[in-house]
Order: sequence, then C-alpha cells, then structure tokens
Amino acid sequence: EAQVTQNPRYLITVTGKKLTVTCSQNMNHEYMSWYRQDPGLGLRQIYYSMNVEVTDKGDVPEGYKVSRKEKRNFPLILESPSPNQTSLYFCASSSRFSTDTQYFGPGTRLTVL
Amino acid sequence: QQPVQSPQAVILREGEDAVINCSSSKALYSVHWYRQKHGEAPVFLMILLKGGEQKGHDKISASFNEKKQQSSLYLTASQLSYSGTYFCGTTYNAGNMLTFGGGTRLMVKP
Repeated sequence: EAQVTQNPRYLITVTGKKLTVTCSQNMNHEYMSWYRQDPGLGLRQIYYSMNVEVTDKGDVPEGYKVSRKEKRNFPLILESPSPNQTSLYFCASSSRFSTDTQYFGPGTRLTVL
Repeated sequence: QQPVQSPQAVILREGEDAVINCSSSKALYSVHWYRQKHGEAPVFLMILLKGGEQKGHDKISASFNEKKQQSSLYLTASQLSYSGTYFCGTTYNAGNMLTFGGGTRLMVKP
C-alpha cells in the first residue's frame, strides 16, 4: 500500500530538548516536504527536498533542520524546541511538486511546554 | 507568496451549491485542491494546469482562469461528507514548490 508514515503521532516535550520527527514514504518519490499547520494560517512549508542530499528552505524554516540521506526518509529535527513550535506537522511526498498529487502523512501533533 | 482563499468559511444545507475561490498575485503554473477533515491529513481532489482547463469528478469540479490568476472550486448538490476545510495550493513554474492558501471551512448541515 502506497503511504507516507510519520512518527511519533503525538509528542509532548519541554523547551530545549532536541527531538526528531521521522517521515518515510514507499512510493519512490523524489520530492518530499514538511509543513506545519496552525489555526487560521493553513499549511506552511518548512523545508522541502527534491532528491537525496538536495534540500531547501520553505516559508518558515527558522528553528528546524532536515536531512535527506536516503530517498525514502526525510526527518525533521528540532534542535532546541520552543513553545511557538507547538503545532500540527505534516510530511508529504510527490513525484513532482507542480503537476502531481502530494501524498500526506497522518500528521504529528507536537506540544512544547 | 501565499494564495488568498475566499470565503474563509461557509455553511450550507444538504443539496446546496458552493464556490470557493483561490487568487494569486503572481502568474500561476498549477493549482491543486485538497480537502481536510478535522484531525486528518489533507486529501487530494484535483490539479489544474495553466491553460484554463476545467476538471471535475462526481459533483466537485474546478476551473482555472489564467488571465485572472484565479481558480474556483465548485461543489454542487453538497453532501454531509463534503464538510471539511478546503485548501488550494499553487505553483508558479514547473520546478516550484507548492504554496497553500489559508483554507476555507465548509460545513454542510442536514
């Protein structure tokens, strides 16, 4: 079954404690993205990757890091989380951004205290 | 730059029609439409490429007006299952990343 998986689904942490949210896809897609969703602000892109070892900033990259060492995986790293990073996070993958469907993971709800 | 969606929210009775608009200040290459149920991931509806084509399946269709830099999503004879938040996403060239609008909350009541 074609899917994008994220882990963990829910996470409560404290300010400053490094964390990683994993994302994996089994569709051999080149393009992967991370979005955060906050009430009234829609989906805002954090980082995206067009292939292995190729990543670029989206609209709201501050406080986040990513890596793309393998095609299927695209982890999101928060080196020193802060309360303003409390949000719902989605990973997505596609063959191409512009003309193909984005497949979204189930989401990770993060709370930073 | 984030596209602008209107209206921000709409309430319908079953069987009524709705139109959701997505406008951009820049020339568009493609427009994507997604629907999200509360607490779930967005689900793909359709993609429109520049050229002014109209697409649709079932009772949901969309148009893309290249000159106006705008896309509209049409929901006809709405059903309870249409409730959710609708997002448009836009790209400005073939290699561009996807930028989503702020969403339109649609509620269909019996």
